[in-house]
Amino acid sequence: RKEVEQDPGPFNVPEGATVAFNCTYSNSASQSFFWYRQDCRKEPKLLMSVYSSGNEDGRFTAQLNRASQYISLLIRDSKLSDSATYLCVIKNGFQKLVFGTGTRLLVSP
Amino acid sequence: DVKVTQSSRYLVKRTGEKVFLECVQDMDHENMFWYRQDPGLGLRLIYFSYDVKMKEKGDIPEGYSVSREKKERFSLILESASTNQTSMYLCASSLTAPRTLTSTDTQYFGPGTRLTVL
Repeated sequence: RKEVEQDPGPFNVPEGATVAFNCTYSNSASQSFFWYRQDCRKEPKLLMSVYSSGNEDGRFTAQLNRASQYISLLIRDSKLSDSATYLCVIKNGFQKLVFGTGTRLLVSP
Repeated sequence: DVKVTQSSRYLVKRTGEKVFLECVQDMDHENMFWYRQDPGLGLRLIYFSYDVKMKEKGDIPEGYSVSREKKERFSLILESASTNQTSMYLCASSLTAPRTLTSTDTQYFGPGTRLTVL
């Protein structure tokens, strides 16, 4: 079983739609959780951290469910510029980040 | 502004060649990482370093070695390139959090090197 699992998509949504991605992780001792964004042919960049109480950054909301071992990302009022691959990332141990394979989002006019 | 640079964007090598991929960061970060990214497999950690001359194996170190002689530079070496090492290689760096001495959460990535081994 993969340490981090994501639906690869693609999720095709119209502008203005709300879309949500889930990600499950297998290591119950995982310490920290993140969403990274990767545009086509570009490097990954941190989108937001995921806190136990849930957190919001503008149109983006991240949630963590430790009991069920999943994290989620909700994007409201989707923009064309949100089209990208969203990587679920967990941190185990001293240094290591473990990346999911990503969920591809396509926002159309 | 945060800056991680990699020596080449595209590289084509032949089987058996020795390949050097260079990564430089200008943020005075202690930690540096080498990943490869393949379709359907995501980013996989090859090696990382948390200090000059220190290195730790990641999840897929076989066929690779690294060198960190200076804090800002982390090199990935393919001793004898093989076709299954054709991939996108990404370098990243991060700070060490002063109180916990663990890496901070944000890793800053370079633009990547797309390596093709023929």
